[in-house]
Amino acid sequence: DTAVSQTPKYLVTQMGNDKSIKCEQNLGHDTMYWYKQDSKKFLKIMFSYNNKELIINETVPNRFSPKSPDKAHLNLHINSLELGDSAVYFCASSQGPQGATGELFFGEGSRLTVL
Amino acid sequence: AQKVTQAQTEISVVEKEDVTLDCVYETRDTTYYLFWYKQPPSGELVFLIRRNSFDEQNEISGRYSWNFQKSTSSFNFTITASQVVDSAVYFCALSEAHNDMRFGAGTRLTVKP
Repeated sequence: DTAVSQTPKYLVTQMGNDKSIKCEQNLGHDTMYWYKQDSKKFLKIMFSYNNKELIINETVPNRFSPKSPDKAHLNLHINSLELGDSAVYFCASSQGPQGATGELFFGEGSRLTVL
Repeated sequence: AQKVTQAQTEISVVEKEDVTLDCVYETRDTTYYLFWYKQPPSGELVFLIRRNSFDEQNEISGRYSWNFQKSTSSFNFTITASQVVDSAVYFCALSEAHNDMRFGAGTRLTVKP
């Protein structure tokens, strides 16, 4: 049973489209995250979400919006996709409030390709 | 702001060699946590170790060992007798009590047979 699962694993789409990536964790963790990994392997945090408190990295365009229907899910919605959005997006979760003092449990990643 | 530097972009060794991956961090907090993650070619991120700032004891796990030195703000990772399966990108990361985990740029390790 996968602890943190993301769907889809691969996503190919055209510029200008809107797409979503779903994430679910079955660990009972309080905090969930979205990280973006670019082609140079840089891992950069986009959002963290805990008890309905959303912390946004200031460099993330407002075309990106996380949506959390409940504590176990944090979906990533992207509007008006651009070529530069092509990357691998990782969902993660951790125990406790925002501030990753413990291990981050990562999903397998979702590779987004924008044509 | 917290910062993690992995100065080695790529390292290539021959199987059975020992290799050390460097990690230097910056933080103003006295309480913080350091991590190493492995990302093999398959792409997933695998947790290796967590260390808190109050525990400078070095750790060994099989062929892996970690050297944490607050005096030099370093948290280096050594693989002894490297194997081809150790080929991966290795990330050092830092988190402070009220900040999200931030990653270094990663070191790509290639172990040749």
